[in-house]
Amino acid sequence: TQLLEQSPQFLSIQEGENLTVYCNSSSVFSSLQWYRQEPGEGPVLLVTVVTGGEVKKLKRLTFQFGDARKDSSLHITAAQPGDTGLYLCAGWGTGNQFYFGTGTSLTVIP
Amino acid sequence: ETGVTQSPTHLIKTRGQQVTLRCSSQSGHNTVSWYQQALGQGPQFIFQYYREEENGRGNFPPRFSGLQFPNYSSELNVNALELDDSALYLCASSLDRRNTGELFFGEGSRLTVL
Repeated sequence: TQLLEQSPQFLSIQEGENLTVYCNSSSVFSSLQWYRQEPGEGPVLLVTVVTGGEVKKLKRLTFQFGDARKDSSLHITAAQPGDTGLYLCAGWGTGNQFYFGTGTSLTVIP
Repeated sequence: ETGVTQSPTHLIKTRGQQVTLRCSSQSGHNTVSWYQQALGQGPQFIFQYYREEENGRGNFPPRFSGLQFPNYSSELNVNALELDDSALYLCASSLDRRNTGELFFGEGSRLTVL
């Protein structure tokens, strides 16, 4: 089993603040994805990164894949209440399957 | 284009019983995977089906079994239910098994074992 540890586990911030979520492992992944899950729903894909050192930006969200392809980060600028949810990283590893991280629960207070 | 649908959405069982959960994959998707998600945690991979055959399995005992049908819909069966089986069970479909493939999730089936 390839473990992906996310930190922090819980995050509660005021609207307009910036935040970073980390996804770390001792294993190498050929790709890494980030999903957001809202209560009562399944996770929805935000981004896929495949190259070590790759940086992708989606509006206020910036995703980075570590050079060694063992870790990733998600940075949100000027958080909004609509960003509230459970953020999950998922790495494609051995056994041709996605291994999901432990999750970061984000609450943005208006 | 219809998305991934799961049934039932909620169910309550007692320890020792058996349960079957169902999933209709998104149109055109030939791969279905099942995940178990405890409250506030990340999904844990149970197994994956590709064109009606199991082609990947996570660290779950044999009492967790599944099927995929010719129309690519799928079932998850759990025998001899235990209290720790209480969780949200998510089904995800994808076009294929690529490492860049997007997983499309259903809303899940919430199982409570008493």
